[in-house]
Formats: sequence, structure tokens, C-alpha cells
Amino acid sequence: EDKVVQSPLSLVVHEGDTVTLNCSYEVTNFRSLLWYKQEKKAPTFLFMLTSSGIEKKSGRLSSILDKKELFSILNITATQTGDSAVYLCAVERSGNQFYFGTGTSLTVIP
Amino acid sequence: EAQVTQNPRYLITVTGKKLTVTCSQNMNHEYMSWYRQDPGLGLRQIYYSMNVEVTDKGDVPEGYKVSRKEKRNFPLILESPSPNQTSLYFCASSFRWNTEAFFGQGTRLTVV
Repeated sequence: EDKVVQSPLSLVVHEGDTVTLNCSYEVTNFRSLLWYKQEKKAPTFLFMLTSSGIEKKSGRLSSILDKKELFSILNITATQTGDSAVYLCAVERSGNQFYFGTGTSLTVIP
Repeated sequence: EAQVTQNPRYLITVTGKKLTVTCSQNMNHEYMSWYRQDPGLGLRQIYYSMNVEVTDKGDVPEGYKVSRKEKRNFPLILESPSPNQTSLYFCASSFRWNTEAFFGQGTRLTVV
């Protein structure tokens, strides 16, 4: 059965901390992995990863994919209160379908 | 402004009364899909469409129908809603299936 597992489920940190969010997957005919940030309602796109070992960066956020070990991590450095959100990992599989994890809820305390 | 628009945002209805949730995008995207989001289960794909007149089932299609008669619109139809379809629904679109998705603001549906 295809599955995407995110950990931890929930995380509370202080401003300035660095956090690492994990996403492991077992999906038939993997094509890509995407990260989204969900604040109040609609998820917004962060990264798309298709190749192993190539880090993608956007400001304080970065992500990398390991297709051999079947996981990805999302790093956030120098966290701010505005980073508080649920972070979703999604995997694209054959047939152009997407399979989401349940998310990691991040709370950044001032 | 580039956006995905869903209507209504909130809906309370009774079991068995047919309803339609509309979704429209103004970005000329080919790929559109519907998801439901439930606590502890995350986002699950209901249906998706690669282009006009091309639709396919996602993980949880039972009890739902869709159509794609125009590129910009992708309505979700519940012919006979049941309480287990109470959920938060998202429509999403992307230029193609393998590019970033833009999500609508969500529709909170309650079936009593």
C-alpha cells in the first residue's frame, strides 16, 4: 500500500531555532516529491524535488531528497513566528496522482 | 490576480440533497484536482483532470462526480451526500501534472 509518513506530527520551538521536518514514502513508481505550507486554509507551494542529493533553497528554507532511502527533509533555519504552520509533504506517483502525508504542525514561540 | 476560486466557502446541507461545489482557475492550467482534508488523514485526492474532457479517479472517488467541459472549470458534484462526506474540500490547479499546484481557499462542507 502506498504511504507517505511525516514526522514529527507536531513541533514547538522558539524563535531562532532550526528545525528539520521529515517525510518518508513508499509509493509505486515515484515521480516527484513536493512540500507545501498550510497556514490557515489553502496550502502554498514550497519545493518540488525530483532528483536525489540536490538541495533546493529558498531563503531560510531548504529541502533535499534521498531516493535510495525514500525520504526527504525540510529544514528551516532561524525560525520566525511566521513559520508557524502545517507543513505537508506530497508524492507524485504514476498515473499523475498525488499522495499527501498528514503533515507536521510547527509552532514557533516568540 | 492569478487564483483558484471555490464556491461556496461554507455549506451545511442535509443527507441526500444533491450539491455542487464549483472551482474555477484563471491561469489556463491544464491539470486540476479535488482533495478532501480530514483530521489525521491529511489531504486525499478525489478526482483529477489532465485536460478538458479528461478526468480520472483519485484515492477516494466514491460518492463524487466531476466534469471538465471547459479548461477553467472543474466542479465537484455530490449526487447524494452523506454525513461521512463532511470534510474540508480543496480544489487545485497546475500548469501540468508535474508542476506546482495552486489551491483554492477551501470549502467546509457539513452534511447532517
